[in-house]
Order: sequence, then structure tokens, then C-alpha cells
Amino acid sequence: DTAVSQTPKYLVTQMGNDKSIKCEQNLGHDTMYWYKQDSKKFLKIMFSYNNKELIINETVPNRFSPKSPDKAHLNLHINSLELGDSAVYFCASSSGTSMETQYFGPGTRLLVL
Amino acid sequence: QKEVEQNSGPLSVPEGAIASLNCTYSDRGSQSFFWYRQYSGKSPELIMSIYSNGDKEDGRFTAQLNKASQYVSLLIRDSQPSDSATYLCAASVFGNEKLTFGTGTRLTIIP
Repeated sequence: DTAVSQTPKYLVTQMGNDKSIKCEQNLGHDTMYWYKQDSKKFLKIMFSYNNKELIINETVPNRFSPKSPDKAHLNLHINSLELGDSAVYFCASSSGTSMETQYFGPGTRLLVL
Repeated sequence: QKEVEQNSGPLSVPEGAIASLNCTYSDRGSQSFFWYRQYSGKSPELIMSIYSNGDKEDGRFTAQLNKASQYVSLLIRDSQPSDSATYLCAASVFGNEKLTFGTGTRLTIIP
């Protein structure tokens, strides 16, 4: 069983389009995250939800909007895609304290043309 | 200024030798530290976590933490070609679920 899953795995789209990435975890964790990893492998937190409530919202363009319908799901919607949005987006989950391991999904490789 | 810093490498180590990976952090409030391994095209996976000053050993891996010097390291003994990957250091502040990552060190084990 996959602990943290993401769909789609690859996403190739044109500038200006709107796209969504979905994430689901079956670990029973309360906290979920979205990270962006750029071409230089720098992994940066974007958002975090704890039990459907937004708790971390880093400096991210408001074209990015996360949504958590329940604590097992965290989706990311991106409007008006730009070339600089090309990256790998990782979803992760944890039991919610700063001492706990974060478990990462397989990543969604987004390429904006 | 980056909050967690690592040498990007690449770091090349002969098979069987000890690989030493280093990380410094700037936030003195950081209390939890993690080493993640990331193979090319894959997601990060936890190798070690450390919360107290000193050494923590798990198999061939030893994490070392020195809060006074704001320094974390990971030693890999008897390095294997399968250890070739990018190693990410991460830190978090107590009570804050935000994990701050370094840029990673690319390690290559030479057979």
C-alpha cells in the first residue's frame, strides 16, 4: 500500500493554463504539506494543513491555492501557470509535531512550456 | 541568507570508506534535525533524526549534533555504491511543523 500518493506523476502544460495536483495519505496523519523542489534540488515548503486547517502559508504567489477536503487529502490548484512554476512538487504528511518524520509522496513533475 | 547550509558537492568517496556530510543552521531555536536521502528522480526518505547534542548511531549511519556550534553531520561507514544519492539536511523549531531544508550534498561512492 502506498503511504502518500500523488496524481498525476507528470504534467506538461502550456503557459497560462490552470492545473491541479492531488495528494492522498493513508497513514492516519493529521498534517500534510506541499513542497516545491526546483532544478537545483532546493526543497522549499509552500503550505501545510493540520486537520483541514491551514497552518503554514509561505510566500507563495496567490495563483497557488491549496485545498484540504479532509485530513487525508491535500490538493494544490495552480492558476495561470508560468514558466517559473516548472519544478517537482512533493506532497508530504506527518503526525504533526516538529519532532516527527515527514513522509513524502513520489512527486509531480510539472513542466510549463 | 539560507537558514540551513550544506556543501552542494559533489562529494566522491571510495567504496568502503567513511563519507562525512556536514550541515550548519542559523536559527538557534532549531531543536529537531533530520537527514533525508534522495535518489535521482525519487522522493526524499528519512535516514536519521537527532534532537540532542552528541552522536546517534543506526547501523552504518551516525548523526552528530553540536547545538553550540549549530552544526549537524552525518557519517556513513563502509560506504556502498547504493549510498550514492543527494543527502538533505533539515531543521525545525519546536512547536513549528515547518521543516527547513538545506540545498543538499550530492554523494558519489566510487567502486
